[in-house]
Amino acid sequence: EAGVAQSPRYKIIEKRQSVAFWCNPISGHATLYWYQQILGQGPKLLIQFQNNGVVDDSQLPKDRFSAERLKGVDSTLKIQPAKLEDSAVYLCASSLGGRDYEQYFGPGTRLTVT
Amino acid sequence: SQQGEEDPQALSIQEGENATMNCSYKTSINNLQWYRQNSGRGLVHLILIRSNEREKHSGRLRVTLDTSKKSSSLLITASRAADTASYFCATPDYGGSQGNLIFGKGTKLSVKP
Repeated sequence: EAGVAQSPRYKIIEKRQSVAFWCNPISGHATLYWYQQILGQGPKLLIQFQNNGVVDDSQLPKDRFSAERLKGVDSTLKIQPAKLEDSAVYLCASSLGGRDYEQYFGPGTRLTVT
Repeated sequence: SQQGEEDPQALSIQEGENATMNCSYKTSINNLQWYRQNSGRGLVHLILIRSNEREKHSGRLRVTLDTSKKSSSLLITASRAADTASYFCATPDYGGSQGNLIFGKGTKLSVKP
């Protein structure tokens, strides 16, 4: 079974530039998550999709972050414009359901904003 | 929203020793999960323990759950250098519409050969 795929693995940009991350979840997983993990911390949820609908984006900084999940499969997360404090690892995860199911994580994208 | 807090923040042991990590949480839950994260990698699910379970095993891993104390522990027996990683507990967030997981800050385990 193929795992969760993410790209790119690393990205370095200057502040005020834009960046996009891509995620392909495990086939058949209805739920997709994007997390932000700052060094030394646990992952913090940014947005949760159920199929192609958003079910929780309460912690997404909507003035600069946006995400979509086309056709209920792949997803992209965009930051525009980036700030220094956006430097973090962005993790994508998928699961069969919600909070009572295990989540499968991709390798993450390490973003450095200079 | 609730959050699991792992203790200790860091743990250093010798290969072959046992490692114990603890997680405390604030409100009632119906399950708790443990994940491992190797440096520079994504998280890997280890165990899910339900509120009606007191103990669960998976290979060299043993997880306990004490709902009266709102705490869980993860024991790794006969540790190996490859167990070096950060370990996170995750609890359900019942505040959202569908619910998701809230992760603690993790315990960083170092196993020295």
